[in-house]
Amino acid sequence: GENVEQHPSTLSVQEGDSAVIKCTYSDSASNYFPWYKQELGKGPQLIIDIRSNVGEKKDQRIAVTLNKTAKHFSLHITETQPEDSAVYFCAAGQVIYNTDKLIFGTGTRLQVFP
Amino acid sequence: GAVVSQHPSWVICKSGTSVKIECRSLDFQATTMFWYRQFPKQSLMLMATSNEGSKATYEQGVEKDKFLINHASLTLSTLTVTSAHPEDSSFYICSASGLAGVTGELFFGEGSRLTVL
Repeated sequence: GENVEQHPSTLSVQEGDSAVIKCTYSDSASNYFPWYKQELGKGPQLIIDIRSNVGEKKDQRIAVTLNKTAKHFSLHITETQPEDSAVYFCAAGQVIYNTDKLIFGTGTRLQVFP
Repeated sequence: GAVVSQHPSWVICKSGTSVKIECRSLDFQATTMFWYRQFPKQSLMLMATSNEGSKATYEQGVEKDKFLINHASLTLSTLTVTSAHPEDSSFYICSASGLAGVTGELFFGEGSRLTVL
């Protein structure tokens, strides 16, 4: 089955700096790679996703890159703000019609200091 | 995005009792719902996949008689923790898939924190 590894487990940055979180996956059949932000006591919120037919996707300060050959994908947050502090999870899965069995990475606790 | 609602958001129960958690898709029909379990400061572990009108598919190591999942309609799935014990205390999160025109996207509920005394 799919196995997703995520690094680093914790990340501290100064406000305004960039943050990068990296994930690797094992199943070459996976074709959907979302990123979630989870705040304390809440469910995960989708912040960006990428599919295997695309190498890069950007949404304002957030971008995701995918290298299918190396089986890794990364989340880039630029101009970080204190409200970006949260736990971020990557996930990988195979989309067949509308079903998704996502396997999650171990999470990265991001702290943005003012 | 679509809205997935979980109820209750937190529950405390005595050891040996059963607890039911509901997951509802409020503005779309969820053909598939997933149940995850999350321990403090850990990742989400997939417990089972449920498709409307059929039996749930459980992940390896998850006791199907312990965690009963029902997906009777396209907007409601329930997870019942039977004969709960302290080790069942956890954060349970559901997600739903099936939003028309948005293939693959999953929407998560806010989670239900179960504490078994």
